[in-house]
Amino acid sequence: QVQLVQSGAEVKKPGASVKVSCKASGYSFTSFDINWVRQATGQGLELMGWVNPDTGDVGYTRKFQGRVTISRDTSISTAYMELSSLRSEDTAIYYCARAGRPFDPWGQGTLVSVSS
Amino acid sequence: EIVLTQSPGTLSLSPGGRATLSCRASQSVSRNYLAWYQQKPGQAPRLLIHDASSRATGIPDRFSGSGSGTDFTLTISRLEPEDFAVYYCQQYAGSPPWPFGQGTKVEIK
Repeated sequence: QVQLVQSGAEVKKPGASVKVSCKASGYSFTSFDINWVRQATGQGLELMGWVNPDTGDVGYTRKFQGRVTISRDTSISTAYMELSSLRSEDTAIYYCARAGRPFDPWGQGTLVSVSS
Repeated sequence: EIVLTQSPGTLSLSPGGRATLSCRASQSVSRNYLAWYQQKPGQAPRLLIHDASSRATGIPDRFSGSGSGTDFTLTISRLEPEDFAVYYCQQYAGSPPWPFGQGTKVEIK
């Protein structure tokens, strides 16, 4: 079945970077964009950016531009989201989702905690 | 970029009741490319409805979507205990980004 499996929880200090992976299975990885969505505790869904696994083209929303890098490795059907200059407000669950118009399925989420 | 506004913020209803959730877009959503997602605590969002009114695979028929242009509605005809959750709408017309509405929480009254 179509599945996205994300890497495990991370604990980081302010100023550090974090890289979260999202491994796809059950479909052709290069056929659908992968999007990254953030959700702070008790808050809504915030789109961060996306990657076209076929071309490698990426896009970022205004809020995260300059601080997030999204990439992919087609040889292992995996997409990545790296967020730099972490601050406490970045503590959240980060999801990847396959964008076949609309988003389906989603990864299970990765909790990133930022604390000194 | 289209902005989606959901209302109400919270809906307090009893099991067996009928829930009506609204999603209003700042401009017309072409091809009715509007989705609804359900999110339960501790879980990832799950696709319920796509193309404004088509149920995703495995979604019970008590969930229905309607609307076009700028006004869309998600209706849950008879609330089951497992339906109490947060619901988000999203438009996916044109090129990304495809942002979400701010969500409606359906809670037990």
